Amino acid sequence: KNEVEQSPQNLTAQEGEFITINCSYSVGISALHWLQQHPGGGIVSLFMLSSGKKKHGRLIATINIQEKHSSLHITASHPRDSAVYICAAPRGGIQGAQKLVFGQGTRLTINP
Amino acid sequence: DARVTQTPRHKVTEMGQEVTMRCQPILGHNTVFWYRQTMMQGLELLAYFRNRAPLDDSGMPKDRFSAEMPDATLATLKIQPSEPRDSAVYFCASGPRPTATGELFFGEGSRLTVL
Repeated sequence: KNEVEQSPQNLTAQEGEFITINCSYSVGISALHWLQQHPGGGIVSLFMLSSGKKKHGRLIATINIQEKHSSLHITASHPRDSAVYICAAPRGGIQGAQKLVFGQGTRLTINP
Repeated sequence: DARVTQTPRHKVTEMGQEVTMRCQPILGHNTVFWYRQTMMQGLELLAYFRNRAPLDDSGMPKDRFSAEMPDATLATLKIQPSEPRDSAVYFCASGPRPTATGELFFGEGSRLTVL
């Protein structure tokens, strides 16, 4: 079992739909990252959160530390939201180095 | 607009050749990471620097890979000799703090193809 698991792996929706991507993790963490990667493009950090909820535009991220679960929501989805969304959790390493453990990513396609 | 800069963006080389990838982290960031992304393995950490000192390079094949930070504005990842299985996209990322408490900023990546 992967330390960080995402679902679904692939998601196709129509423009305007409400999108939810889930992330479950087994590593002990103090924060969790959500990243976005467009096809052939770089990686952008969307959120880093350790509790509760964060909102940025149409994106909302929530985390439940007790249940080791996080969700990324997109309201009023748009074709430009089509990308791979990756959650990542830091696992403590030597000298406090925080090694990020990545989920396998969720490929989101929003059709017009 | 501060950003992490990576060069080259694309590199095609033949097996056995030396490859050097460069990264300029965002000014003031004291943590620098090298990641490799492949279709099969996804994103993997290769090396991690804090204040220019290597803290974790356990994910890096030591016999052919080396990572250094000769100064605060430059991180390098070198592969010698390169092999076809090294074909991947290599990302550099920097952050103002360790990942548990700080946001990460990624470069555009260097796409390496080894023939």
